[in-house]
Amino acid sequence: IVLTQSPGTLSLSPGEGATLSCRASQTLTTDFLAWYQQRPGQAPRLLIYRASIRATGIPDRFRGSGSGADFTLTISRLEPEDFAVYYCQHYDHSRHTFGQGTILEIK
Amino acid sequence: QVQLQQSGPGLMKPSQTLLLTCAISGDSVSGNSVAWNWIRRSPSRGLEWLGRTYYRSKWYDNYAMSVKSRVSISPDTSKNQFSLQLNSVTPEDTAVYYCARYWDTVATLDYWGQGILVTVSS
Repeated sequence: IVLTQSPGTLSLSPGEGATLSCRASQTLTTDFLAWYQQRPGQAPRLLIYRASIRATGIPDRFRGSGSGADFTLTISRLEPEDFAVYYCQHYDHSRHTFGQGTILEIK
Repeated sequence: QVQLQQSGPGLMKPSQTLLLTCAISGDSVSGNSVAWNWIRRSPSRGLEWLGRTYYRSKWYDNYAMSVKSRVSISPDTSKNQFSLQLNSVTPEDTAVYYCARYWDTVATLDYWGQGILVTVSS
């Protein structure tokens, strides 16, 4: 399964909302779809697991949705610390697959 | 709170063997609902899962096809850590390497090590 994220780069201003897409090359048979945030020099941070469940400590501005082959990460009211790279990831058949990432940059 | 502390060399020469270690605190390498993974990130490949080891009455491992012939991931129960061995490295193996925990309940990688930049150059 290949995960394709769009857009490649998203330029927005603090306070605006962001919509990031992750499309799988085939329908996922499970909801094992996660979203990560990676800031420069840091490890990826788990935001969302099982497509829509926020990880511990993640603010409710972050929302995951979708099923089948189309998944979305929505971030409302962007804060300065939200500008980072976002990855979607799927676990299936004992392996993990990552999307290529979306860069969320300050406009 | 689970913490993963990575150690290993930052500079390698082509054909050498890379050995990285991930020390675990706050969990057990032998836990029955977790698996211990290695992932790397490079400009050319993005985030790439390399493999894992886990214990379910006995030890198992799985590897990515891209490195299967060169990689080994093994636990050390006496030190509560696990290691990555990658043989015959080339400049294509230059990347930031991460260890991470997989937990059955969330079905994903929930805790990550700090990352180590490994550069392969002659």
